[in-house]
Amino acid sequence: QKEVEQDPGPLSVPEGAIVSLNCTYSNSAFQYFMWYRQYSRKGPELLMYTYSSGNKEDGRFTAQVDKSSKYISLFIRDSQPSDSATYLCAMENSGGSNYKLTFGKGTLLTVNP
Amino acid sequence: DTEVTQTPKHLVMGMTNKKSLKCEQHMGHRAMYWYKQKAKKPPELMFVYSYEKLSINESVPSRFSPECPNSSLLNLHLHALQPEDSALYLCASSLSGRYEQFFGPGTRLTVL
Repeated sequence: QKEVEQDPGPLSVPEGAIVSLNCTYSNSAFQYFMWYRQYSRKGPELLMYTYSSGNKEDGRFTAQVDKSSKYISLFIRDSQPSDSATYLCAMENSGGSNYKLTFGKGTLLTVNP
Repeated sequence: DTEVTQTPKHLVMGMTNKKSLKCEQHMGHRAMYWYKQKAKKPPELMFVYSYEKLSINESVPSRFSPECPNSSLLNLHLHALQPEDSALYLCASSLSGRYEQFFGPGTRLTVL
C-alpha cells in the first residue's frame, strides 16, 4: 500500500461546479498537510497548509483533514477555467526527517467554460 | 513576498557539458531544496540544505552536485548528464523543517 493515494483523474467539470479532490494516507505520523496547484510546465504553488483535523477556508478553497479516517480533501467552490491544473496533496511527518514531503500522484482537473 | 526564483528557465545541454542551475530566495528561509519532476509525476526530492549545510542527499548520482553559497542561494552543478536526466528541476524553500515549502517556477532541462 502506498503511503499516499490520490486519484490521478482526469476530472472534468463545468464552470461554476463544486470540485472535490481527495487523498488518503496510511502513515499515522503525518501531521502536516498541504495542497499544491501546478499549472502545466510550471512549479507547484502552495494553496493550503493545515496541521490539525478540521476545516480551513481561504476564498473559494476549503481544506479538510480527518485524521481518524486518514483522509484529506480540497474543495473548490464556483470553479473557474483558470482552476484547470494538476492538484497535488503533500504530507509531512511530525518526527524523523521533517524536511521530506510525501506527495500524492496529483489529480488533473479541467474546468470547462 | 513568497517568491523563489530560478535561472535559467530552459536549458539544453549535451552529455559532455557542464552547466549550473541557480535558485534564490529572500524570505529569510533557512531550508532549501532541489527536486526533480518528470512529466505526469510528483516532484522527487534530491537534496536538502538546512542552515547552509547539506542535510539530505537522496542517493542522487554524483553527476549532480549541489552547492549552497549562502542562506539565499542554492546551485545545482550538472556534469556528464544522461538523456534520462531530462526533467523539470524545481527549487523550494521553507522557514526550516516542518514548515510549508514554497517552490520556484523550475528549470526545464533537456539533455541531448
